[in-house]
Amino acid sequence: GAVVSQHPSWVICKSGTSVKIECRSLDFQATTMFWYRQFPKQSLMLMATSNEGSKATYEQGVEKDKFLINHASLTLSTLTVTSAHPEDSSFYICSARPRRVNYEQYFGPGTRLTVT
Amino acid sequence: GQQVMQIPQYQHVQEGEDFTTYCNSSTTLSNIQWYKQRPGGHPVFLIQLVKSGEVKKQKRLTFQFGEAKKNSSLHITATQTTDVGTYFCAGRTGGANNLFFGTGTRLTVIP
Repeated sequence: GAVVSQHPSWVICKSGTSVKIECRSLDFQATTMFWYRQFPKQSLMLMATSNEGSKATYEQGVEKDKFLINHASLTLSTLTVTSAHPEDSSFYICSARPRRVNYEQYFGPGTRLTVT
Repeated sequence: GQQVMQIPQYQHVQEGEDFTTYCNSSTTLSNIQWYKQRPGGHPVFLIQLVKSGEVKKQKRLTFQFGEAKKNSSLHITATQTTDVGTYFCAGRTGGANNLFFGTGTRLTVIP
């Protein structure tokens, strides 16, 4: 149990285009989902926290107009990278926290974004 | 802002040797979690510590939370090649919802 999927697993796009990444909790309901970004051989940096049905809370330094987050249901959150640039190339990982568990997070497999 | 540092950044050990990674936070934590990320994989939850001075064991892994709740350690006894990966601590402050990940320690086990 407690499986989180992400789609796509990798994507290559051209500068200026937008990319949407989906994060789904497959066998549980997640009231809270988190989006992280990880550069090669570096730690995970929290970008934003999203709660179902409300606006996401962004970490300092993360542009909310550039990284649009939607948590439309208890099993789905999306991250849209708008007007992508090469410096947005990174590994994006989501995690989801089950409704009945107040501390454990389950991570998705990640999405590798390359902007050319 | 909150910072969570880990040392060492890298560690190479011979199979069978012990390994320890240390996690230090600039602020007092309400709880701390440990994750393992295999190369090319995603972080997998290992454990959560909540109480000051808490010690928990999982087979060959021993986790400690400092008395001041600002540091933590993970000790692996008699490492195996399956222990290879990056170990991250992640802390939460107060009633905050989110986790701040440490810088990670990359463990290599030489057979």
